[in-house]
Amino acid sequence: RKEVEQDPGPFNVPEGATVAFNCTYSNSASQSFFWYRQDCRKEPKLLMSVYSSGNEDGRFTAQLNRASQYISLLIRDSKLSDSATYLCVVRDNFNKFYFGSGTKLNVKP
Amino acid sequence: EPEVTQTPSHQVTQMGQEVILRCVPISNHLYFYWYRQILGQKVEFLVSFYNNEISEKSEIFDDQFSVERPDGSNFTLKIRSTKLEDSAMYFCASSGRTGDKAFFGQGTRLTVV
Repeated sequence: RKEVEQDPGPFNVPEGATVAFNCTYSNSASQSFFWYRQDCRKEPKLLMSVYSSGNEDGRFTAQLNRASQYISLLIRDSKLSDSATYLCVVRDNFNKFYFGSGTKLNVKP
Repeated sequence: EPEVTQTPSHQVTQMGQEVILRCVPISNHLYFYWYRQILGQKVEFLVSFYNNEISEKSEIFDDQFSVERPDGSNFTLKIRSTKLEDSAMYFCASSGRTGDKAFFGQGTRLTVV
């Protein structure tokens, strides 16, 4: 069973659209949750941490449901520059980071 | 903003040769990691390092691999006898206290020919 699972996509959306990505994790003892963004052939870069109460950063909203072991990312008003692969990342109680396979987003004009 | 730096950015090596990938983590961080990503595939965990020793390693991290933190700042990954399937992007990462996010270096693209 995969530790972190994501829909690989791709999600092809027009500029201005709202798009949502989901992620599930298997380890109920997981401590910290993140969304990273990865551009082609580049390193993962932190987009935002995900908190139990949900959190928002501009056009991006992240939600965590610990009972369902489910994490989501909502992007509003998509921009061309949002095109990338979005990685769901979970840190366990032994400080190891587990990566989902990523969800590819293509925002088109 | 502090960053993790990796050198070289690209290394080409012949099969069977040894390579050393170098990383300078963020200075006050405590946890250090190596990950790899084969082209088109997911980011895979190799090894984590804490308190001057390996805390966990994956099944990928066999006897051909080793890590060192020789001088308190550098963090190296050595592959003793490279194989074609070792070709990948290797990312170093570091993290502060427990539960904190990880910062990734820009990666070393290793090509084994």
